Amino acid sequence: DTGVSQNPRHKITKRGQNVTFRCDPISEHNRLYWYRQTLGQGPEFLTYFQNEAQLEKSRLLSDRFSAERPKGSFSTLEIQRTEQGDSAMYLCASSLLSSGNTIYFGEGSWLTVV
Amino acid sequence: GESVGLHLPTLSVQEGDNSIINCAYSNSASDYFIWYKQESGKGPQFIIDIRSNMDKRQGQRVTVLLNKTVKHLSLQIAATQPGDSAVYFCAEMEYGNKLVFGAGTILRVKS
Repeated sequence: DTGVSQNPRHKITKRGQNVTFRCDPISEHNRLYWYRQTLGQGPEFLTYFQNEAQLEKSRLLSDRFSAERPKGSFSTLEIQRTEQGDSAMYLCASSLLSSGNTIYFGEGSWLTVV
Repeated sequence: GESVGLHLPTLSVQEGDNSIINCAYSNSASDYFIWYKQESGKGPQFIIDIRSNMDKRQGQRVTVLLNKTVKHLSLQIAATQPGDSAVYFCAEMEYGNKLVFGAGTILRVKS
């Protein structure tokens, strides 16, 4: 158990619907990352936060995707107008930059768009 | 762009043998490397890490070797067990930045 909590673990949604995933990082970790992973591939970076500031966004993060970390603790990743190509596992990870920045992942949230 | 790649997509070993998983990286500015283990349906699990000022680091049954000259990373697992069967990823980071992952190596342990 890494301590990073994600929910829901599984989500099936119809194309065109909006979905939101939540991530609770390890307590006091100041960095929070979102990655996307499809079958047979390594995780792909989407975005990351330091405290509440979003420091970098991948070009994979289209305008249908938005991530927030309003109080520097939990984070949400929202996908609007979902498409079948959005089907993937969405991984959250956290780290403490001042303590070596070892990055720990949660168990992921599986999204299936039908 | 910069990328991390793996030499062997699948590795099959006999239970009790040692396993070696290799990884090549291309960003010479990367200063931090991590090996993760991922079992089916689960998130990546941290195994061991190494910083660029080291060339070897040991953990419990695992050793990571870093060769900066040829930009090569390896994970050695001693006395491989069935529970070690998983996909293994190496990942690199340039200080304060994001992790970049390779495609992964499947490790299959035969009993």
